[in-house]
Amino acid sequence: EAQVTQNPRYLITVTGKKLTVTCSQNMNHEYMSWYRQDPGLGLRQIYYSMNVEVTDKGDVPEGYKVSRKEKRNFPLILESPSPNQTSLYFCASSLSGRTYEQYFGPGTRLTVT
Amino acid sequence: DQQVKQNSPSLSVQEGRISILNCDYTNSMFDYFLWYKKYPAEGPTFLISISSIKDKNEDGRFTVFLNKSAKHLSLHIVPSQPGDSAVYFCAAGYNNNDMRFGAGTRLTVKP
Repeated sequence: EAQVTQNPRYLITVTGKKLTVTCSQNMNHEYMSWYRQDPGLGLRQIYYSMNVEVTDKGDVPEGYKVSRKEKRNFPLILESPSPNQTSLYFCASSLSGRTYEQYFGPGTRLTVT
Repeated sequence: DQQVKQNSPSLSVQEGRISILNCDYTNSMFDYFLWYKKYPAEGPTFLISISSIKDKNEDGRFTVFLNKSAKHLSLHIVPSQPGDSAVYFCAAGYNNNDMRFGAGTRLTVKP
């Protein structure tokens, strides 16, 4: 089954404790991205990757890091989480950077206390 | 700066009637527009799209209309079904990589 998976689905952590949210897709998609969803703000792009070893900032990259060492994986790293990073996070992928339609993962709800 | 706006947080319609969801944008560079549907505890799923060279695109019960001069697009669902109850996100993109989403509209279709 074609899908985007994220882990964990739920995470509660404390300020400053480094964490990683994993994202994996099995569709051989070149393009992957991370979004956060906040009430009244919709989905805002954090980082995206056009292909392996190619990443770039989206709208709200501050406080986040990403890496793309393999085509299928695109982890999101919070080196020192803060309460304002409490949010619902979605990973997405598409065939290429020229394809607008994206497949989304199920989401990761992160709470930073 | 929200370049894509969905001004109605919620919409309620009766089963069998038409649902019209609206979206406004400010950036005239956008050349592709999409609607995504989201159920609770799931990620958004792509529903329908339209490029800026068209003013209408139809897929079954779903039709998207684009009015470039007004910078406005709308999604029509006819007839509405209870299974259509979800949050609908409007999105707009240009330069292939830059995608902006609206805040979403929660549609409730009553049986």
